[in-house]
Amino acid sequence: QKEVEQDPGPLSVPEGAIVSLNCTYSNSAFQYFMWYRQYSRKGPELLMYTYSSGNKEDGRFTAQVDKSSKYISLFIRDSQPSDSATYLCAMRRNTGFQKLVFGTGTRLLVSP
Amino acid sequence: GAVVSQHPSWVICKSGTSVKIECRSLDFQATTMFWYRQFPKQSLMLMATSNEGSKATYEQGVEKDKFLINHASLTLSTLTVTSAHPEDSSFYICSARWSSGTDTQYFGPGTRLTVL
Repeated sequence: QKEVEQDPGPLSVPEGAIVSLNCTYSNSAFQYFMWYRQYSRKGPELLMYTYSSGNKEDGRFTAQVDKSSKYISLFIRDSQPSDSATYLCAMRRNTGFQKLVFGTGTRLLVSP
Repeated sequence: GAVVSQHPSWVICKSGTSVKIECRSLDFQATTMFWYRQFPKQSLMLMATSNEGSKATYEQGVEKDKFLINHASLTLSTLTVTSAHPEDSSFYICSARWSSGTDTQYFGPGTRLTVL
């Protein structure tokens, strides 16, 4: 079993839809959770960064962490064609250990 | 802030030659940098972790003599692919740890290597 599971998609939605992207994980030691967006042939771009459980909002993006269920989500409101990309979840243990564990990425397609 | 650059963005070389890729943190100091490899439609595979002034730590299965990493300063790490072969063709991405900020990794734009 992989440490982090993420549905590869593709996930196709119409413009304006609310998008929900999710990851599950098995290691309860993970404390820091990130979402990266990667456009084709580009490096990943950090979107959201959260510590422990709870919600964090930034513009159209909301990240949720439920440590009791080992489940994290990224919500995108009013999705735009420019949101079409691969979204990678990543997580790591405490500050003394920097290695990130990535999900496989979910490819999102937002059609006009 | 937290911008990471890579050079070159793409390179084509002949089999048997060596290729050097540079990774720079432009607006912060990075004591730790990471090198990843990514195949088409796959996630990132960590190759090695490099700390400024010390030897890199390679992941299992990564040949340290083939992928030479030098982290000479707090803003520069280099990856040299030695005696490259077609199977080394891939997308190489570096990241840098911004320890005084969010203490997470910021990625460069990647380098596409094609070995003929």
